[in-house]
Amino acid sequence: GQNIDQPTEMTATEGAIVQINCTYQTSGFNGLFWYQQHAGEAPTFLSYNVLDGLEEKGRFSSFLSRSKGYSYLLLKELQMKDSASYLCAVRDSNYQLIWGAGTKLIIKP
Amino acid sequence: IAGITQAPTSQILAAGRRMTLRCTQDMRHNAMYWYRQDLGLGLRLIHYSNTAGTTGKGEVPDGYSVSRANTDDFPLTLASAVPSQTSVYFCASSDGQGADEQYFGPGTRLTVT
Repeated sequence: GQNIDQPTEMTATEGAIVQINCTYQTSGFNGLFWYQQHAGEAPTFLSYNVLDGLEEKGRFSSFLSRSKGYSYLLLKELQMKDSASYLCAVRDSNYQLIWGAGTKLIIKP
Repeated sequence: IAGITQAPTSQILAAGRRMTLRCTQDMRHNAMYWYRQDLGLGLRLIHYSNTAGTTGKGEVPDGYSVSRANTDDFPLTLASAVPSQTSVYFCASSDGQGADEQYFGPGTRLTVT
């Protein structure tokens, strides 16, 4: 079966750095996505990786290793507004997104 | 502001009733999707449409139907609602370009009693 694993919840301090991991086992791979979802709101697109390596976008970076079935989202200079759930999703061989359950990130002052 | 709208925002529905959730996008995206999101689970695909006039089944299609008569609209119908269909429903669309990331509507919170 297809599976996306990510931690259920993480806590970090304002101004710090946090890394959210995602491991996946899917039938085929056509890219990995990270989305942010604030409580009660819709998911919004953060990043996309299709090749191995690091993609940097401001305070957020995303890394992919296809051979290890592994990705992480790195958030730097954490702000209170970064408190949200972070969803990892993989596009499979059918070109459909398989979603992890999300990691709830709690930022403390 | 361009984007996706969904209606209603929330609804309480008696079991056995029929319900249509509406979704409209003004971005001229070819592909549209319906997901349900339940606590502790990832988003699960119900149905999708790659282009107007075509639809396909996702991971959890039973009890739901869709139509795609034009590019903008993608309604989701529950023919006879059951309590297990209590969930938050998100509609999304994508343009098929580049990363082909999906853009989500604000969601419909449905409670079936």
